[in-house]
Amino acid sequence: SAVISQKPSRDICQRGTSLTIQCQVDSQVTMMFWYRQQPGQSLTLIATANQGSEATYESGFVIDKFPISRPNLTFSTLTVSNMSPEDSSIYLCSVPDRVPGYTFGSGTRLTVV
Amino acid sequence: GNSVTQMEGPVTLSEEAFLTINCTYTATGYPSLFWYVQYPGEGLQLLLKATKADDKGSNKGFEATYRKETTSFHLEKGSVQVSDSAVYFCALSDQNNDMRFGAGTRLTVKP
Repeated sequence: SAVISQKPSRDICQRGTSLTIQCQVDSQVTMMFWYRQQPGQSLTLIATANQGSEATYESGFVIDKFPISRPNLTFSTLTVSNMSPEDSSIYLCSVPDRVPGYTFGSGTRLTVV
Repeated sequence: GNSVTQMEGPVTLSEEAFLTINCTYTATGYPSLFWYVQYPGEGLQLLLKATKADDKGSNKGFEATYRKETTSFHLEKGSVQVSDSAVYFCALSDQNNDMRFGAGTRLTVKP
């Protein structure tokens, strides 16, 4: 399975500011996924990031709020823009394994104050 | 569409108790089934998986059997430890590796 390095692991941010989360994969992957996990909740898919094309966003998520970059096959960033306390969550990136399943980054715990 | 329904928590057990967390699924075709574990402050880790009917996934004393007739993939462990305290997610993926997660079940094991 791939190994994903995600950072920062946690941050406390002021409302109205932006935070960029990075995920580095140790192998080339076509698709990367970004999830949000609100407190006490399951995972919600934000978007799918394919290299060489714009990210595909799920219903309820928009590019202006969660811009994603995918400059190459091993790296992606998710920015949480103009943050409010409702954005306090764990954000996770993941990639598909060669066999069924996903590998996840260690997550970014974001608190907006 | 595909979906996973998971036993609601939280679940609190004493050390060495028997654990069952129920999971049922709805899917077309023949999905692969997974249990992921999330320890406090960490991301998700694959605990075990099964890719076809009657397969049994196992890891760290946990087991789950892919039951097509009951569309279930219940997680079991014969004797839980304090270190098993975590949130457990049941999940499925279809032939396109499109993943769906259950709501998660928080397990607390008391010494």
